[in-house]
Amino acid sequence: AQTVTQSQPEMSVQEAETVTLSCTYDTSENNYYLFWYKQPPSRQMILVIRQEAYKQQNATENRFSVNFQKAAKSFSLKISDSQLGDTAMYFCAFRGPVQGAQKLVFGQGTRLTINP
Amino acid sequence: ETGVTQTPRHLVMGMTNKKSLKCEQHLGHNAMYWYKQSAKKPLELMFVYNFKEQTENNSVPSRFSPECPNSSHLFLHLHTLQPEDSALYLCASSQGRDRNQPQHFGDGTRLSIL
Repeated sequence: AQTVTQSQPEMSVQEAETVTLSCTYDTSENNYYLFWYKQPPSRQMILVIRQEAYKQQNATENRFSVNFQKAAKSFSLKISDSQLGDTAMYFCAFRGPVQGAQKLVFGQGTRLTINP
Repeated sequence: ETGVTQTPRHLVMGMTNKKSLKCEQHLGHNAMYWYKQSAKKPLELMFVYNFKEQTENNSVPSRFSPECPNSSHLFLHLHTLQPEDSALYLCASSQGRDRNQPQHFGDGTRLSIL
């Protein structure tokens, strides 16, 4: 069974700093998908960025980028020029290659606080 | 505005009550999901429906009963719940056959069992 581990329960940085959230996973699959979701106090889970395992290039979405190390099974999220609105819980998630409906496996989450 | 709407936003009920959670998606998706989010635990997948058919039941106790009358609506019927069932219940939807598409989540129902 796949597992996802986020080893940092909480992190805190100053506004405008860069922060990296770590995520490791365990799978025997070769093709899969990885996601980072953000859950602010409003509770809605919002997709931040996604990575397809067969793509070597790291995904980037504006200030958000990932460092995907397939051999190491590592999928870290880097937030550049952090903003107060980035304060939220961040969840790393894994999805295998099975067709049809998706089954996401989530990590425990990292609570990120951006301080003014 | 979210494309996935959950009601009610908050629910307090006794252990002997019967209530239902509702989820509606306006995204044209064909797969819908129920998750349970407890404090200090990863999100737990409860049920998956694909084209109205249940494709996953993650060993959920029978006091939780899902219903999916069509691809846009998903219910979670609750009865004889326990205090440990207090949690945030999240609904999500996705374009099930497109493996690259992410799941879209609602705001959740915060459930408290007295």
